[in-house]
Amino acid sequence: DADVTQTPRNRITKTGKRIMLECSQTKGHDRMYWYRQDPGLGLRLIYYSFDVKDINKGEISDGYSVSRQAQAKFSLSLESAIPNQTALYFCATSGISPSGAFYEQYFGPGTRLTVT
Amino acid sequence: GNSVTQMEGPVTLSEEAFLTINCTYTATGYPSLFWYVQYPGEGLQLLLKATKADDKGSNKGFEATYRKETTSFHLEKGSVQVSDSAVYFCALSDRGTGFQKLVFGTGTRLLVSP
Repeated sequence: DADVTQTPRNRITKTGKRIMLECSQTKGHDRMYWYRQDPGLGLRLIYYSFDVKDINKGEISDGYSVSRQAQAKFSLSLESAIPNQTALYFCATSGISPSGAFYEQYFGPGTRLTVT
Repeated sequence: GNSVTQMEGPVTLSEEAFLTINCTYTATGYPSLFWYVQYPGEGLQLLLKATKADDKGSNKGFEATYRKETTSFHLEKGSVQVSDSAVYFCALSDRGTGFQKLVFGTGTRLLVSP
């Protein structure tokens, strides 16, 4: 089973609709992240959370909100979706590498969101 | 602020050709440097890393050396395979964020033909 799972994997929604993307992890990590990927722009950080009570905005948080329901669950919401939020969304967790030398991020498979 | 610049793709090669994907960075202090790979339809996976100057990261035949003097971390492979076709991301993390946040380049798509 995958360590980081995302649901749904694909979603088409209409402008103005509220949508939630969910992320679960079994790695036991405290740190979780939401990124969006756009062609030619790489990955940009939306929100991150270092534990259940610690949530921080990333570089592109406008139009998004998050909820850390438990150590293992981190959800991203679009309160009123707009077409330029069409993108590939990734959840990630972070923990000390097996060697102990650095923090390694582990990514989910992504959610492809289309807003029409 | 910190940033990562990668060469634009796609990079198109024939099987067994030599690969270089350039990556340069801007950061204060001494960041950790990473290459992530994204295969079609999948999330990103860590390919290799280097945490200090002159370190060489290597994995699956890929190598990259942390060059502080040129602020570079170029990815190389001596003989690519069709299965190496993917998008490659250079990234850094730094002490200012406790090495907890990654800054990514824009990604370089590699296409390898038989």
